[in-house]
Amino acid sequence: SQTIHQWPATLVQPVGSPLSLECTVEGTSNPNLYWYRQAAGRGLQLLFYSVGIGQISSEVPQNLSASRPQDRQFILSSKKLLLSDSGFYLCACPRRGSTGELFFGEGSRLTVL
Amino acid sequence: EDQVTQSPEALRLQEGESSSLNCSYTVSGLRGLFWYRQDPGKGPEFLFTLYSAGEEKEKERLKATLTKKESFLHITAPKPEDSATYLCAVQLPFLLTGGGNKLTFGTGTQLKVEL
Repeated sequence: SQTIHQWPATLVQPVGSPLSLECTVEGTSNPNLYWYRQAAGRGLQLLFYSVGIGQISSEVPQNLSASRPQDRQFILSSKKLLLSDSGFYLCACPRRGSTGELFFGEGSRLTVL
Repeated sequence: EDQVTQSPEALRLQEGESSSLNCSYTVSGLRGLFWYRQDPGKGPEFLFTLYSAGEEKEKERLKATLTKKESFLHITAPKPEDSATYLCAVQLPFLLTGGGNKLTFGTGTQLKVEL
């Protein structure tokens, strides 16, 4: 079955500290991968997507970066966190057998203090 | 400008009280419209995909419909377990996305069904 593992599930970090959120996909091969952020009271905002190893496209200018070191691994990073980086971060890939739907992981809740 | 707008932002229903959630969009050449359910602290769970005006999809107490400008998620005789945030998303034309599965989401409708 198709699964997306995200960790850590919850993270509290001080302003100015680094960040690394990891996403690993199972049950599908060569997937496009996506990082979305969901801030309080707002919809899901696409941050990055990747069509393959080492290939990253950024959707919005921001304090974050993404990397794809392996086919099924997607990492979201920051060198120095800002208060505005707080939110619920979701990793996604195309739903297996679908033509457009995305399948989401369980998310990582980041609070920057 | 907003491409996907959902209303109402929040909805409180009594068990068995049917209602509809709205998702309006301003995109031309829509490739697909998607409905998701999201429980607190969880990732969105896929419900339906609609591709063309007039199309309808049903699953248990939920029915999704699509017109050229909006989609409705009808909830018939809801139960407390239907309480969740319902998200609508659109897949933009290839010219705007370069392909792939990039979805643009609305802000959701938070539904609470009470006994």
